[in-house]
Amino acid sequence: KAGVTQTPRYLIKTRGQQVTLSCSPISGHRSVSWYQQTPGQGLQFLFEYFSETQRNKGNFPGRFSGRQFSNSRSEMNVSTLELGDSALYLCASSLYGREGTDTQYFGPGTRLTVL
Amino acid sequence: QQQVKQSPQSLIVQKGGISIINCAYENTAFDYFPWYQQFPGKGPALLIAIRPDVSEKKEGRFTISFNKSAKQFSLHIMDSQPGDSATYFCAAIGNNAGNMLTFGGGTRLMVKP
Repeated sequence: KAGVTQTPRYLIKTRGQQVTLSCSPISGHRSVSWYQQTPGQGLQFLFEYFSETQRNKGNFPGRFSGRQFSNSRSEMNVSTLELGDSALYLCASSLYGREGTDTQYFGPGTRLTVL
Repeated sequence: QQQVKQSPQSLIVQKGGISIINCAYENTAFDYFPWYQQFPGKGPALLIAIRPDVSEKKEGRFTISFNKSAKQFSLHIMDSQPGDSATYFCAAIGNNAGNMLTFGGGTRLMVKP
C-alpha cells in the first residue's frame, strides 16, 4: 500500500504570497491532519479533517486554512505568507481518526521557505 | 503553552547502552501517549504507545514507563544501536480531541559506534 504522499516536497515563496500544499492519504484512510514543524516551536497541530469536515483546529491564525475532498485528499492554504511561516508542513492520515484505535501515518512533508 | 515537556534535548549514547528520554504532561485529559521516531528527511513514525492504565509497555528493545500520579512517562531504548540515531518525540492525545497530537519538543539521539 502506498504511503502518505505530499506535494510539492519543496517550495520557495516570497512574503505576501499565498501557497497551497497537497496531501494524499493512504488509500481507505478518512482522517487527515496537518502539522507544522519548526526548530523553534517543534511540532504543532494545525487542523484535522474527517469525511470532508474540519474536526479540530489548532492555535493558528486564519491565514491557515484547509479542506478535504470526497476522495479524502486534503489541501492546506496559507495566505499572505510571513517569514515565520517557513517550516516543514506534515500531513498525517489514519483510518478513522482516533489515536489509539488507529495509527497516524505521516508523510515526508513539504518544506516551505518564505523569503 | 507547552503541555508536554520533553528532556533532554539531545543525547549521546554508546552502542549497546541504554537511552532514556523523559516527558511530563500537565493536561489530565490526556489518555494516550505515543512515541514517534523521525529520521532526517522523513515524517515521524509511530514507535510505541501506552495508555495510562498501564505502567509499562515493552516492544522489542523499546520500553515505555508511565507514572500517572507524577504525570510523567519515559522511553527506554535498550542495547542502543547506531541505526537508532534519530529524533524522538513524545506526544499525548486527549479525550474527545479527535486526532490532535500534542508533541514534546523532541530529543535528538546519537548512538556512537
